[in-house]
Amino acid sequence: EADIYQTPRYLVIGTGKKITLECSQTMGHDKMYWYQQDPGMELHLIHYSYGVNSTEKGDLSSESTVSRIRTEHFPLTLESARPSHTSQYLCASSEPLGGGSTDTQYFGPGTRLTVL
Amino acid sequence: QKEVEQDPGPLSVPEGAIVSLNCTYSNSAFQYFMWYRQYSRKGPELLMYTYSSGNKEDGRFTAQVDKSSKYISLFIRDSQPSDSATYLCAMSALGGSYIPTFGRGTSLIVHP
Repeated sequence: EADIYQTPRYLVIGTGKKITLECSQTMGHDKMYWYQQDPGMELHLIHYSYGVNSTEKGDLSSESTVSRIRTEHFPLTLESARPSHTSQYLCASSEPLGGGSTDTQYFGPGTRLTVL
Repeated sequence: QKEVEQDPGPLSVPEGAIVSLNCTYSNSAFQYFMWYRQYSRKGPELLMYTYSSGNKEDGRFTAQVDKSSKYISLFIRDSQPSDSATYLCAMSALGGSYIPTFGRGTSLIVHP
């Protein structure tokens, strides 16, 4: 089982609140990712990082921000939560796969966020 | 057109059946083809992967790639109730960002 952790697992909050979803990995991976997953829908990449002090926006337009101050830690922050942010948020890290020409991703268990 | 298409199901089969899960794709640059399994309330985990065309077998699971048709399959033999999960295909091209493109997943239910 992958050593990647997410807290909280479940969160119900009111509109307008600021929240931070935590993600930590103990595998020493440089690359980390945040995905949004809705039932029956594709994983949407919202942020990724290639290492400390590196952050990039993904394909999905998001009102969230991330930081990468330490290799093992990649928190996601929503400054003002809205009902449209209700979703499952998955954190992942990756390492080279096969001959090193692509990566395989290890996922955390997810945070299920509900914004009322 | 989405780069990766996958029927969300659900696919319901009796225990012991042979299951076929499929994805089609449009990007001819994809060279790595992966299958992830996701149990309820868990994150996806890599099940197996193949590079370029051909078949790969791992126990009851066989992954098959047909690049000429841009079509990949995952076969599960002697399916078990413990195989009930969502199966996501993922693909990536050589080089670039190495970030895979995921399908939406197929929900599989194996009933006793």
